[in-house]
Amino acid sequence: ETGVTQSPTHLIKTRGQQVTLRCSSQSGHNTVSWYQQALGQGPQFIFQYYREEENGRGNFPPRFSGLQFPNYSSELNVNALELDDSALYLCASSSGGNSYEQYFGPGTRLTVT
Amino acid sequence: DQQVKQNSPSLSVQEGRISILNCDYTNSMFDYFLWYKKYPAEGPTFLISISSIKDKNEDGRFTVFLNKSAKHLSLHIVPSQPGDSAVYFCAADYMGRRALTFGSGTRLQVQP
Repeated sequence: ETGVTQSPTHLIKTRGQQVTLRCSSQSGHNTVSWYQQALGQGPQFIFQYYREEENGRGNFPPRFSGLQFPNYSSELNVNALELDDSALYLCASSSGGNSYEQYFGPGTRLTVT
Repeated sequence: DQQVKQNSPSLSVQEGRISILNCDYTNSMFDYFLWYKKYPAEGPTFLISISSIKDKNEDGRFTVFLNKSAKHLSLHIVPSQPGDSAVYFCAADYMGRRALTFGSGTRLQVQP
C-alpha cells in the first residue's frame, strides 16, 4: 500500500509569486485535506477536498485554492505569496466512511523571501 | 482562540518509565480525538484515537484517556522507549468533518 506523497520537498519563492504544491493520496482514500504548519505550532487546517469538490475550509484567504483530480490526487495553489506563508504544508488523506483517521505525507517546506 | 491546548512544550522521561502527555480542549462540539507523533522532516504519524462515547482506548504501549467533563485527554506510553522521542500532537474533530484542530505539540525526550 502506497502512502501519501508530496512534491516538491522544498521550495523557495519570492514575495508576490504563485506556487503549486502537489499531493498523491494513499491508495483507496477519496478525501484530501491540506494543513499549514508554521514553525513551533501545530498544523492548521486550510481546506479539504472530497470527490473533486471543496468540502470545508479553515480560516485562510481566497488566495489559497486547491484542486482534486479524478484519481484523488490534489494540488494546493497559493497566489500573491507573503512572507508569512513560509511554512511546512502538509497533505493528509482519509478513506471516509467510519474511519476518521487522517494519514499525512512528509510535507513541502515553502520559504518565501 | 486556541481550541486545543497542550500546555507542556516538553517532557523528559527515563527509558522504561511512563510518559504522560496532556491535552485540553474548549470546544464542546469535539467528538473525536487523535494523537499524532512527528519526527523531524517527516509528516505526523497517526498513533491512536478515541471517540467521545468512550473514556479509554488502548493499543499496545499507548493508552488514551478522555475526561469529557474536564475537557481533558491524556496519552500514556508504557514503557517509554528512546524511539518514542518525538513531538506529539493532540488533535480534535467533530461531526466527522475530518478537519482536525491541532494543539501546539509536546516534545518528548526518552533518556536511555
